[in-house]
Amino acid sequence: EDQVTQSPEALRLQEGESSSLNCSYTVSGLRGLFWYRQDPGKGPEFLFTLYSAGEEKEKERLKATLTKKESFLHITAPKPEDSATYLCASNNQAGTALIFGKGTTLSVSS
Amino acid sequence: NAGVTQTPKFQVLKTGQSMTLQCAQDMNHNSMYWYRQDPGMGLRLIYYSASEGTTDKGEVPNGYNVSRLNKREFSLRLESAAPSQTSVYFCASSAVGAYEQYFGPGTRLTVT
Repeated sequence: EDQVTQSPEALRLQEGESSSLNCSYTVSGLRGLFWYRQDPGKGPEFLFTLYSAGEEKEKERLKATLTKKESFLHITAPKPEDSATYLCASNNQAGTALIFGKGTTLSVSS
Repeated sequence: NAGVTQTPKFQVLKTGQSMTLQCAQDMNHNSMYWYRQDPGMGLRLIYYSASEGTTDKGEVPNGYNVSRLNKREFSLRLESAAPSQTSVYFCASSAVGAYEQYFGPGTRLTVT
């Protein structure tokens, strides 16, 4: 069964304390692994697409990496404005839609 | 360039009432999607439209109908609302050959 699992469910960090969020997937024929940011009361905002193992993409304090079974979202020296829920998704086997994980809620305090 | 827009932002319905959620995109995308988001369940696909004139069921289609009115617009209809349909509904779109989807701001629906 196609599945995307994220951990941890929630993460609390101090400002400047780097960490990583995990996303594991069990999709046959991966065509893309996607990261989104969702702020309370808003729609998911697209961050990255990763296509193949070994690929990395960066945006400000965020870096996403991909292996054959997992993706990581590394957050370096986070700031309070990085607080949000981060969602991971992969395509389904048919390639017709995305399967989302339940998200990791990140809280960064100053 | 507004991206994906949804109306209304909030709605309260009584059990058995009907309503239509509207979605429009101005990015010239071919594919459009409707999701619901519930606490602890994540985003779940209700229906999608790969291109104008086609629609297909997603993971949780029961109780919903959709219409792809034209390339820009994709509506979701609840014919007889039930409390189990209380949720936040998101519309999304994607371009030909691309899997990343772009989301609207959502409609928060409460059915009493």
